[in-house]
Amino acid sequence: DADVTQTPRNRITKTGKRIMLECSQTKGHDRMYWYRQDPGLGLRLIYYSFDVKDINKGEISDGYSVSRQAQAKFSLSLESAIPNQTALYFCATSDLASSYNEQFFGPGTRLTVL
Amino acid sequence: AQSVAQPEDQVNVAEGNPLTVKCTYSVSGNPYLFWYVQYPNRGLQFLLKYITGDNLVKGSYGFEAEFNKSQTSFHLKKPSALVSDSALYFCAVRDRGSTLGRLYFGRGTQLTVWP
Repeated sequence: DADVTQTPRNRITKTGKRIMLECSQTKGHDRMYWYRQDPGLGLRLIYYSFDVKDINKGEISDGYSVSRQAQAKFSLSLESAIPNQTALYFCATSDLASSYNEQFFGPGTRLTVL
Repeated sequence: AQSVAQPEDQVNVAEGNPLTVKCTYSVSGNPYLFWYVQYPNRGLQFLLKYITGDNLVKGSYGFEAEFNKSQTSFHLKKPSALVSDSALYFCAVRDRGSTLGRLYFGRGTQLTVWP
């Protein structure tokens, strides 16, 4: 969905490096999410934010941090990357006004930690 | 606890044949149910959702899904598969009564349609 963008699309880094993945959206949605996808494990929630002042841990938040700089921007940081954080990372958004919570996904960032 | 099970990692079907991708769920209350599709090197795209009402839900690209409350299932179906339907499919559930509104995803099913 072109309304949700992620940068970079691909990144290779080394163990111990700090990495930031960025997500921007033009949908005007309040809620934003970070997931990681691993083969055979589906999508697992890392962090989510219901507005600029609200940040919540998901099921696998250890080793990650986030920043909601504005309604439209939600960044994911790996303070000290490790190889098992190699994965495909997705940002998603949803509209607070929609009780169904349909989520819209960005194209993903493929991160490789050597 | 909320969870989704997609019992088949892979489904193979010949073009023109009907396809079914299975999904069962577990929620403490009543569910909202979703199907998403992921094409190679792309993000997830919304296919369809069940909120309430008719148990048979129609979505994008000719897909439909049937909600079965007694079997806690929400299987994805299409009467006639296309090679272009080959992709990774995810089922997701949300507890209608939850104020958090987060989705729980299954592990995904890789659908391959042979020409």
